Amino acid sequence: GAGVSQSPRYKVAKRGQDVALRCDPISGHVSLFWYQQALGQGPEFLTYFQNEAQLDKSGLPSDRFFAERPEGSVSTLKIQRTQQEDSAVYLCASSLGKSSYNEQFFGPGTRLTVL
Amino acid sequence: AQTVTQSQPEMSVQEAETVTLSCTYDTSESDYYLFWYKQPPSRQMILVIRQEAYKQQNATENRFSVNFQKAAKSFSLKISDSQLGDAAMYFCAAWSGRDDKIIFGKGTRLHILP
Repeated sequence: GAGVSQSPRYKVAKRGQDVALRCDPISGHVSLFWYQQALGQGPEFLTYFQNEAQLDKSGLPSDRFFAERPEGSVSTLKIQRTQQEDSAVYLCASSLGKSSYNEQFFGPGTRLTVL
Repeated sequence: AQTVTQSQPEMSVQEAETVTLSCTYDTSESDYYLFWYKQPPSRQMILVIRQEAYKQQNATENRFSVNFQKAAKSFSLKISDSQLGDAAMYFCAAWSGRDDKIIFGKGTRLHILP
């Protein structure tokens, strides 16, 4: 596609539910990043893939958060047993190169609201 | 650890005027990059400009330029001839080779007054 797409754009979950957020990167982009953006804050790094390998997951806030990119293309961020503090916009970005300093192309984000 | 500080939560500028957004950073690394990203109300963030720390010359992209003061660890963004489409959140960000991840500041919301 022309850009990074994310689905769903909006998700409302009851506390305790599991959610799955999808990211379709730009075709051919090697690197894929997930960020969490709380209201009024800058994006915070969650995890990073190079092709199908998850090279850094140091930003995942707890073991309830899990990300995968099994075929080196589409990625899914899963949050188990959602909590109110998980409410945020989740941004996905992809880049052509192997390092984070390359230009990252961002998706529109998924706004997650946990009630 | 790297930190990025944007001390101006909001700014306003008259259309066609020039505005400067401030950013300071802290890193112990010698190999690092600095960025300004723009996030319009639609929320799709785009890269505005990038500066490699080893380059002394300030980066420019059309109406956007930076003032990179390495000793002061300052990286401000100047927008010339402001246009209505420049209204957005602007995030300063830093990357270092040690962490290989981008750290973002809290952002500055820029309003353009017609």
